Amino acid sequence: GIQVEQSPPDLILQEGANSTLRCNFSDSVNNLQWFHQNPWGQLINLFYIPSGTKQNGRLSATTVATERYSLLYISSSQTTDSGVYFCAVELANTGNQFYFGTGTSLTVIP
Amino acid sequence: EAQVTQNPRYLITVTGKKLTVTCSQNMNHEYMSWYRQDPGLGLRQIYYSMNVEVTDKGDVPEGYKVSRKEKRNFPLILESPSPNQTSLYFCASSSDPGANSPLHFGNGTRLTVT
Repeated sequence: GIQVEQSPPDLILQEGANSTLRCNFSDSVNNLQWFHQNPWGQLINLFYIPSGTKQNGRLSATTVATERYSLLYISSSQTTDSGVYFCAVELANTGNQFYFGTGTSLTVIP
Repeated sequence: EAQVTQNPRYLITVTGKKLTVTCSQNMNHEYMSWYRQDPGLGLRQIYYSMNVEVTDKGDVPEGYKVSRKEKRNFPLILESPSPNQTSLYFCASSSDPGANSPLHFGNGTRLTVT
């Protein structure tokens, strides 16, 4: 079946530290997005990144489509970065169905 | 303000009592979809719609219905809710998911079926 795996499942960081979150997927993708779910449950789109590298402030993401993985980098973490990070993929040949990973729960400690 | 609006935010109901969760977007998006979020399982797609009168099943459609009579609205219908449908539900929209267009999510509806 279709697999979208995220690691690590949980991460605790001291404020100011850097981190790398990983998303592995089992097939070719048309679409890959990263989301942050804040402690109030809101899902915020961070990146649309089916391939290549993008940066937005302290966050950046890289997708290597040929090797079927994506990385989300968080630099100089802040307490407001806490929450759950999800990757979602739309696999090739599955129409417009999106598959989410189970998320990485990040806690940033002051 | 561009947004996806879901109602209600919280809903407690009893087994078998039909309910509808509404979803509306004001961005003229073609694509809309519904997800449920359960602990340890991430988000799973229930149904999606590429345009008016076009709907397709996602990964977990059993026990749910949807309709897309207007571009802006995409209600989720539970004809006979059961306790295993207790979950956090999200609606999302996008102008075109395959064309550098991000998914925009509503704030969620927490449903409890007793």
